[in-house]
Amino acid sequence: AQKITQTQPGMFVQEKEAVTLDCTYDTSDPSYGLFWYKQPSSGEMIFLIYQGSYDQQNATEGRYSLNFQKARKSANLVISASQLGDSAMYFCAMSVPLTGANSKLTFGKGITLSVRP
Amino acid sequence: GAGVSQTPSNKVTEKGKYVELRCDPISGHTALYWYRQSLGQGPEFLIYFQGTGAADDSGLPNDRFFAVRPEGSVSTLKIQRTERGDSAVYLCASRLGPSGEQYFGPGTRLTVT
Repeated sequence: AQKITQTQPGMFVQEKEAVTLDCTYDTSDPSYGLFWYKQPSSGEMIFLIYQGSYDQQNATEGRYSLNFQKARKSANLVISASQLGDSAMYFCAMSVPLTGANSKLTFGKGITLSVRP
Repeated sequence: GAGVSQTPSNKVTEKGKYVELRCDPISGHTALYWYRQSLGQGPEFLIYFQGTGAADDSGLPNDRFFAVRPEGSVSTLKIQRTERGDSAVYLCASRLGPSGEQYFGPGTRLTVT
């Protein structure tokens, strides 16, 4: 069975500073994908970034980067230059296998990020 | 282009009633997923469609829940004899190919009174 663990109950960051949101995962399958989604108070799930288990380099998308440490089974999200609009719930998710008939997502419980002006 | 749409956005029903929730995926996306999100939790998988067939319905909690996708596009999640414990946000997502990110709709908030 796959499991995603997000233990930080809530995070605060000053505007324009960087913040790291933690995520650890557990799977015995060598083929998997890791995702981060943002869920503002309005409720929609917004895709941020993706990392495949075979990718050699850490994924980056604008101000988002994924610190992928395979041996530690961690996939932390780093947000640089935080903005007020980054205040939201952030979910880490995993799909196993990476490709194929059913790559359903298993989500963590989420982390609340609050950006202070 | 248009994203995933879901209707209704909110549904309030009485215990024991039947409800239908609709999902219209991104055009051309063959994979369609339903998830359920309870308050303060991450979404939980319910069912997956590849084309018209339900390829994996292992997440459906019991036989009161059923979903269809008759033409490989729009999907309907059907809940019979609703219970208060069914109250949650029901999310639909679609994906273009065999891997990669899923794109979510805005969800349907179901409240069973």
